[in-house]
Amino acid sequence: SQTIHQWPATLVQPVGSPLSLECTVEGTSNPNLYWYRQAAGRGLQLLFYSVGIGQISSEVPQNLSASRPQDRQFILSSKKLLLSDSGFYLCAWSGGGRTDTQYFGPGTRLTVL
Amino acid sequence: AQSVAQPEDQVNVAEGNPLTVKCTYSVSGNPYLFWYVQYPNRGLQFLLKYITGDNLVKGSYGFEAEFNKSQTSFHLKKPSALVSDSALYFCAVSLLYGNNRLAFGKGNQVVVIP
Repeated sequence: SQTIHQWPATLVQPVGSPLSLECTVEGTSNPNLYWYRQAAGRGLQLLFYSVGIGQISSEVPQNLSASRPQDRQFILSSKKLLLSDSGFYLCAWSGGGRTDTQYFGPGTRLTVL
Repeated sequence: AQSVAQPEDQVNVAEGNPLTVKCTYSVSGNPYLFWYVQYPNRGLQFLLKYITGDNLVKGSYGFEAEFNKSQTSFHLKKPSALVSDSALYFCAVSLLYGNNRLAFGKGNQVVVIP
């Protein structure tokens, strides 16, 4: 069966510091991968998605970036965090077809102080 | 534009009563619709989806959803709510040219009162 991991689970970082969040998927190959942010108040915002190694699509302009160095690894990064980057970050994977289900990881709670 | 709407912010229901969480959609082409549940500080869990066929879709934890094309709705239902059903519920639609991207509703907080 497939499993999706995210780490760290929680993170507290000062403004201006760098960020690296990691997501890995087990039990499948060539998945579509997605990064979402959920701010306080519940709404989900798609940040990036990837259909293959090195292929990244950005949904919103911001100081975050994403990379996919391996087939089942998706990394979210920032060179300098802003207060507004605080939130709950979720990674998800799917098979890629329009009817395929997206499956979510446990999330990372990021607090920028 | 393809989207879903969840018109209610919060749904309160007594334990043992029927639970309904509403969702309406706006899509071009065939609608592929999903329901997810989120418990505090957890990722989203998939409940069920409608692709084609029977309008009544059965999912996890006793939930079901009814697809209604004429009303462009996909309401989530459970015949008898449990306190443990208290959570945040999201409706989503698969985008037409989207690489399996989903458009999510704003979410509904469900509170089941003992």
